[in-house]
Formats: sequence, C-alpha cells, structure tokens
Amino acid sequence: DAGITQSPRYKITETGRQVTLMCHQTWSHSYMFWYRQDLGHGLRLIYYSAAADITDKGEVPDGYVVSRSKTENFPLTLESATRSQTSVYFCASIEPLEPYEQYFGPGTRLTVT
Amino acid sequence: AQSVSQHNHHVILSEAASLELGCNYSYGGTVNLFWYVQYPGQHLQLLLKYFSGDPLVKGIKGFEAEFIKSKFSFNLRKPSVQWSDTAEYFCAVTTLPMDSNYQLIWGAGTKLIIKP
Repeated sequence: DAGITQSPRYKITETGRQVTLMCHQTWSHSYMFWYRQDLGHGLRLIYYSAAADITDKGEVPDGYVVSRSKTENFPLTLESATRSQTSVYFCASIEPLEPYEQYFGPGTRLTVT
Repeated sequence: AQSVSQHNHHVILSEAASLELGCNYSYGGTVNLFWYVQYPGQHLQLLLKYFSGDPLVKGIKGFEAEFIKSKFSFNLRKPSVQWSDTAEYFCAVTTLPMDSNYQLIWGAGTKLIIKP
C-alpha cells in the first residue's frame, strides 16, 4: 500500500533500554520528519531529514538519534529510554511540490515504565 | 523566531453551532498555510491548504479558511458543526522557499468538543 507506515504501533519498554521506531514511505519524498505529540504541547519536531544521509535537529532532539541511509526509511532511536519520552510519535514526509503538504503516518504510542 | 498561535486550546459547542478557530502566524515572508485535523485515536489528516490564489479556501467536510495577509491570519470556519467534528485541529505554516532555511511551524492545537 502506498503511504507512510510506522512500526510498531504500540510499544512498552523499560527505562534505560534502547528502542527503535521505524518509518517507511513509498513515495520517495525527499523530506521526512519525526514528531512527538504530548498533551499541552501539540506537535514538536524531533529531527528531520532533507534527503538520504542528511539529517538535522528539530525542537526537541535530546535523547534521540536518527539515520537515513535510504530515502524511504527514517528510523528513530531512543538510545536510553526515559519516562519523559513516553509519548505518541508521528513520522511524516513532504510532497516536493507546492504547497508542500505533509503526510503523516499512523503513529507509534510509546510507554516507558 | 517564527511562531503559530492558536488562540483557543479548548472549544465546546453544541451541534449546529457555527465554528471559527483562530490561527495567527509571525513570519514576514512567503508562506503556505494548512489546517490539519486529528480525530480521536487517529493520525493527522489534511483539512485544507492555501498557497496562492483565492484567499478563501474550501476544504473537506464543509470547512473553509480565509487567509488575511495583512493580519497574518488563517482562521478556520464551519457554518454548522456536527458531533463527528469532535477532534483536535492544528494550524501549520511552511516558510518558503523550501531550501536549507525551510521551516514547518505548528500551532499547539485546539481541541474541539461538539455536544450532541
């Protein structure tokens, strides 16, 4: 199916563990984004990538690592999970034509205990 | 720094009431504007967008928004809401051109609850 998929959809992990959230898009969009969504904060940008092998920090990058070896994949890794990283994580990509509409994946609900 | 303000964090309306959600942005250059909706338990979906032409934009499900450049605003409207409009609504602004200075700025969201 065309679109953006995220896996897993739900994850419970313990403090201190490493967790990787996967994001895959089928359109070959250049730009991809990772957001976290928390009550009272709306969407906050964690990292984004303009192309394969090009990544940059967003508003809240601490504690997260990303990579982009292939255009279609943009995994997000929590190197040592903390309770404050309990959140819903959304991956998105941008259509490379105006108006640069963002398309979102279904989200991953992560709970860190 | 550029920002997007959504003035109402929570709005509660009865069915058939009219809706207007405010969105103001601070950026002096060219922008594209979006409203996204997130229904309970679902991911964000595009409601409508503006990038050029008629400043009154019509979207899905009877929503519309008006871009007023002089006021840096892009308010969302619906003449008569339904219970199924209960959702969270996000305003977003992209700055142009889409180069290394590109930004996508999100408002904090407005939770809309429609009472049946």
